[in-house]
Amino acid sequence: GDSVTQMEGPVTLSEEAFLTINCTYTATGYPSLFWYVQYPGEGLQLLLKATKADDKGSNKGFEATYRKETTSFHLEKGSVQVSDSAVYFCALYHTGNQFYFGTGTSLTVIP
Amino acid sequence: DTGVSQDPRHKITKRGQNVTFRCDPISEHNRLYWYRQTLGQGPEFLTYFQNEAQLEKSRLLSDRFSAERPKGSFSTLEIQRTEQGDSAMYLCASSLGDANTQYFGPGTRLTVL
Repeated sequence: GDSVTQMEGPVTLSEEAFLTINCTYTATGYPSLFWYVQYPGEGLQLLLKATKADDKGSNKGFEATYRKETTSFHLEKGSVQVSDSAVYFCALYHTGNQFYFGTGTSLTVIP
Repeated sequence: DTGVSQDPRHKITKRGQNVTFRCDPISEHNRLYWYRQTLGQGPEFLTYFQNEAQLEKSRLLSDRFSAERPKGSFSTLEIQRTEQGDSAMYLCASSLGDANTQYFGPGTRLTVL
């Protein structure tokens, strides 16, 4: 069945460091891929998405490229800020109207 | 802010009791989803409505769980005879048309003692 595997955390980075959070997926066909972010005490928010192969989603300095050949959707940011501290979830949407989420990666950015 | 709202935000109950949660989606969103999230895990799909019709239910949704969306607006999720394993965060999300873009509520945290 469909599934998402993402890099385990927690991840701790210094401010202005480069961020990569790995995400790979298993699915038949052509799913849509997402990154959601959950700030402390808040609900999940859509960060970015890509709906077909080679699409790049971007928002707030974060980027992820839908790579069908490697079944990956890695999240990157060139320079993280303390305010980026949150839990990041990779997700897949496929037929059947179901979302499949990864287990989440906690990011802490220290000044 | 007229985002997705959920009530209550926290619920503590004793094993065997029934609980009911409410979700108010973004106005005019025709799709509404329920998820369960346990500590250290991502959200797991429970069920989905399009307008008032419940179109899909996960195998996670045992017969003790029931969800309704009677008028195609707010939804309720009821858990009967709660068990300690039901302790989790219950999330609601809604979307309009394009099911890809779901907007999540803050969740209801259930603790079963």
